[in-house]
Amino acid sequence: GQQLNQSPQSMFIQEGEDVSMNCTSSSIFNTWLWYKQDPGEGPVLLIALYKAGELTSNGRLTAQFGITRKDSFLNISASIPSDVGIYFCAGPGKADSWGKLQFGAGTQVVVTP
Amino acid sequence: EAQVTQNPRYLITVTGKKLTVTCSQNMNHEYMSWYRQDPGLGLRQIYYSMNVEVTDKGDVPEGYKVSRKEKRNFPLILESPSPNQTSLYFCATAGRVNTEAFFGQGTRLTVV
Repeated sequence: GQQLNQSPQSMFIQEGEDVSMNCTSSSIFNTWLWYKQDPGEGPVLLIALYKAGELTSNGRLTAQFGITRKDSFLNISASIPSDVGIYFCAGPGKADSWGKLQFGAGTQVVVTP
Repeated sequence: EAQVTQNPRYLITVTGKKLTVTCSQNMNHEYMSWYRQDPGLGLRQIYYSMNVEVTDKGDVPEGYKVSRKEKRNFPLILESPSPNQTSLYFCATAGRVNTEAFFGQGTRLTVV
């Protein structure tokens, strides 16, 4: 089930601002995944992280795998209207098995012009 | 092009009428899974499969069945749908090496 704590739940920002969100787990993860979901569509993978301390970018998105392996962060720089959507963190469960992939509750991002 | 294809995208049905939602992938992935997404409850796993003929329950399996007779297909079966199964359903797949899950486009099911 959902055992990842993701915050904030929602963010209302102005175009051009930066966005930060994070995800924490009570157990150690070996993989962190970040997804974006547009309304009525399936989640799309943005960034995958595999090593503690890893910092990975995908355009204006940057994600980091926390040193403790129990957290991860996603930043969006210079937001634009198409950044609107729900962002999810995800990772394998305790057994480190993809069969038990866990998801955060999501961060709803709203960008106003 | 790597794809996870679900059908149908939208379905309205009546209580008790058996239905199947199909999921097909062209990435030769071992892992396949079904999720439902409801407002305020996030993504919840229904069933998953680690390989052909290997399936296991997720967090909310009641009222659902699955089968994995071929590697590429993982249908979700609702033998006797009820209104509380009205939801947005997603199929997801991943390969054995990297645990990067790829999702289908979703099936919006309404049971009246």
